[in-house]
Amino acid sequence: AQKITQTQPGMFVQEKEAVTLDCTYDTSDQSYGLFWYKQPSSGEMIFLIYQGSYDEQNATEGRYSLNFQKARKSANLVISASQLGDSAMYFCAMREGWDNQGGKLIFGQGTELSVKP
Amino acid sequence: DGGITQSPKYLFRKEGQNVTLSCEQNLNHDAMYWYRQDPGQGLRLIYYSQIVNDFQKGDIAEGYSVSREKKESFPLTVTSAQKNPTAFYLCASSPDYNEQFFGPGTRLTVL
Repeated sequence: AQKITQTQPGMFVQEKEAVTLDCTYDTSDQSYGLFWYKQPSSGEMIFLIYQGSYDEQNATEGRYSLNFQKARKSANLVISASQLGDSAMYFCAMREGWDNQGGKLIFGQGTELSVKP
Repeated sequence: DGGITQSPKYLFRKEGQNVTLSCEQNLNHDAMYWYRQDPGQGLRLIYYSQIVNDFQKGDIAEGYSVSREKKESFPLTVTSAQKNPTAFYLCASSPDYNEQFFGPGTRLTVL
């Protein structure tokens, strides 16, 4: 069974508008972490934001925020004021358990975001 | 500058050959990881290592081997047993099993 689901293969957004990228996850662990990474066409993976399962507040990092709804098992990424440089693939990932499991990440299939001028 | 380096950036291999991808980090991180990415797909874990001289299989370890003789190095060998090795390979490291820092990747093509 897929543990990380990103249902939007591709998204378009107008420059300066906000956009939400969807991510749902499946785990029976109480302790887990959720991550978002950006992958530009060059291929490197850039860390954007992290949410721990016990964090009560939604994580924010500059223009990025994570809309964490634990009961729904969703961890959507919100990008405010989109910029042309935001055009890239975006991956949601989950770490199950804690350090006794090595910190392995499970990735979703990704969403390709295109920002229109 | 601290970071993760992978070499080479592009690698071409003939069928039946073994090739080794290099991954080096000077971040003093204990944990290191190898992922494979196929076109239009997410990353899948090949192997990971939490400490020197120890490593574990990930989800798709068949046809791959690794070693961890030094903290800063985690080379990946793609053996001839890997049936479909053409892919983008990413190495990562982590100080605390949370955020992972990625290298620039190696694109392997089998001719």
